Amino acid sequence: DGGITQSPKYLFRKEGQNVTLSCEQNLNHDAMYWYRQDPGQGLRLIYYSQIVNDFQKGDIAEGYSVSREKKESFPLTVTSAQKNPTAFYLCASSPGANEQFFGPGTRLTVL
Amino acid sequence: GQNIDQPTEMTATEGAIVQINCTYQTSGFNGLFWYQQHAGEAPTFLSYNVLDGLEEKGRFSSFLSRSKGYSYLLLKELQMKDSASYLCAVSSDYKLSFGAGTTVTVRA
Repeated sequence: DGGITQSPKYLFRKEGQNVTLSCEQNLNHDAMYWYRQDPGQGLRLIYYSQIVNDFQKGDIAEGYSVSREKKESFPLTVTSAQKNPTAFYLCASSPGANEQFFGPGTRLTVL
Repeated sequence: GQNIDQPTEMTATEGAIVQINCTYQTSGFNGLFWYQQHAGEAPTFLSYNVLDGLEEKGRFSSFLSRSKGYSYLLLKELQMKDSASYLCAVSSDYKLSFGAGTTVTVRA
């Protein structure tokens, strides 16, 4: 089955710890994206990558880091510098400039 | 910057019609998307408009006026399963900018 997978679905971490969220796609899409969603707010873009070994900051990149070493994978690290990391994180991929396909999301809770 | 506005909440009765408006002011425009998102789940694609006019897809239709920076999503013959959040998103420079979403509640 083709699609986007994110793991785990729920993640708990202690304050001050870095945590890495996984995103994998087998759709052969060039572009991948990370969004954050908070209650009552829309999706906000954290980082995006249009091609392997290249990525750009989105609107709220502070406290986050990414890598794009393989076309299929775009992991997101939430660092201790992120002031309010508890949120729902969504990964998406796209074949080009249009429709984005979303993974199931990871709900991160920092205790 | 990007500014995308849509109502926060709407309530309608099963079998009725609901229209969700979206207005936008963005630095670029390659098209407008509507997504449906059930609570705790990923958004799923509903419609895409790049030219002015109405796009119809079953019970869902979407309209775009680029000169007015305006779109709407029309949901017909509402069903209980249509209770969800509906997200308006504008595409520009390979990125999507999202509105805050409109929560639609369908009542029996």
